[in-house]
Amino acid sequence: NAGVMQNPRHLVRRRGQEARLRCSPMKGHSHVYWYRQLPEEGLKFMVYLQKENIIDESGMPKERFSAEFPKEGPSILRIQQVVRGDSAAYFCASSPPTQAGGSEQYFGPGTRLTVT
Amino acid sequence: GQNIDQPTEMTATEGAIVQINCTYQTSGFNGLFWYQQHAGEAPTFLSYNVLDGLEEKGRFSSFLSRSKGYSYLLLKELQMKDSASYLCAVVRRGSTLGRLYFGRGTQLTVWP
Repeated sequence: NAGVMQNPRHLVRRRGQEARLRCSPMKGHSHVYWYRQLPEEGLKFMVYLQKENIIDESGMPKERFSAEFPKEGPSILRIQQVVRGDSAAYFCASSPPTQAGGSEQYFGPGTRLTVT
Repeated sequence: GQNIDQPTEMTATEGAIVQINCTYQTSGFNGLFWYQQHAGEAPTFLSYNVLDGLEEKGRFSSFLSRSKGYSYLLLKELQMKDSASYLCAVVRRGSTLGRLYFGRGTQLTVWP
């Protein structure tokens, strides 16, 4: 059973460009979470999605950031007009469908975004 | 908001026992997780406590006291490969069910 997959693992963007980060949850998981980890800081929640639904986006900046989890295909975290402060590791996690708040979240390897 | 505190760094020697503490202040507490994260890698699950008491799993144990807002992770027979960051995270009931609130992590260095 493949784990959570994220791509790309490393992404370099110039200021003003768009960044697209992809996450494929574990097989059978329908809950996806995105977290951001800045250097020397803890993981910060950004958004929680189920298939075709955004459940909680309270941790995501209102501007430039968006997320989706379509019926088919991976979840996408999109950052428009990137700035240097967006440089961070972005982790995706998934969990089984029936235990949103009480089960282990399985993390992907992360995408390290560098904005130059 | 949530206040989740854990020490920034700890050191120990191979074969020893180390206890990493985590205190939290949150409403609607629904459970506490411990994750291990090696540098440049994904966090991996270690334990999940919902009820008070000690949960033992091999060399690792986790304790929770809900009344005190306190947990610890106990690592026995330390090995070099245990050098990593240990993350404490809480989950809440209610509208934010599902999201994890993480502490900053405790960087553990195990010396030979």
